Amino acid sequence: KAGVTQTPRYLIKTRGQQVTLSCSPISGHRSVSWYQQTPGQGLQFLFEYFSETQRNKGNFPGRFSGRQFSNSRSEMNVSTLELGDSALYLCASSLPMGVHNEQFFGPGTRLTVL
Amino acid sequence: DAKTTQPPSMDCAEGRAANLPCNHSTISGNEYVYWYRQIHSQGPQYIIHGLKNNETNEMASLIITEDRKSSTLILPHATLRDTAVYYCTLRTNTGNQFYFGTGTSLTVIP
Repeated sequence: KAGVTQTPRYLIKTRGQQVTLSCSPISGHRSVSWYQQTPGQGLQFLFEYFSETQRNKGNFPGRFSGRQFSNSRSEMNVSTLELGDSALYLCASSLPMGVHNEQFFGPGTRLTVL
Repeated sequence: DAKTTQPPSMDCAEGRAANLPCNHSTISGNEYVYWYRQIHSQGPQYIIHGLKNNETNEMASLIITEDRKSSTLILPHATLRDTAVYYCTLRTNTGNQFYFGTGTSLTVIP
């Protein structure tokens, strides 16, 4: 079974620009979560999507948004990039609620904001 | 506010048991304890989870105290490949919202 894939793997942007990251979950997984990882803050939850609806949201500003498509693929968008948005962005997929919710993580997208 | 607290780093001799502690004193009755690990430059990998009973699988054992305010992950025979950052995290049964924190960096020494 193919794992979680994320594209692109590396990205360089400048302040003020916007960026869109993509995540393809494991086949059959309908829940997709996004995390931001930085050396100082560790791994922080951004949001979770299930059946095309945002089900949970972390404590991030509105510049961070996401969506999920009918095939469970998900995208996250960051607008008006700031230097502090430089991070590894991880996507994780899992089965719907009611079963053991092991999250399977992708390799991440490394975003650098200059 | 951090839901879990872990020591920032630990060392363990190869072949010995690695015991990684985690405090979660504000855990709610419907929150599960999950452990993940992250090897440099890879996404986190699931290890084990539990609610209130001790659990064991092929990778590790999880010991949860009776009051559920702390837990210990045990790697019975640590190898060099177990060198990683280990995260203790909580999840409610109402969604996939995990609070990871900054984890424990485990170094297995030859």
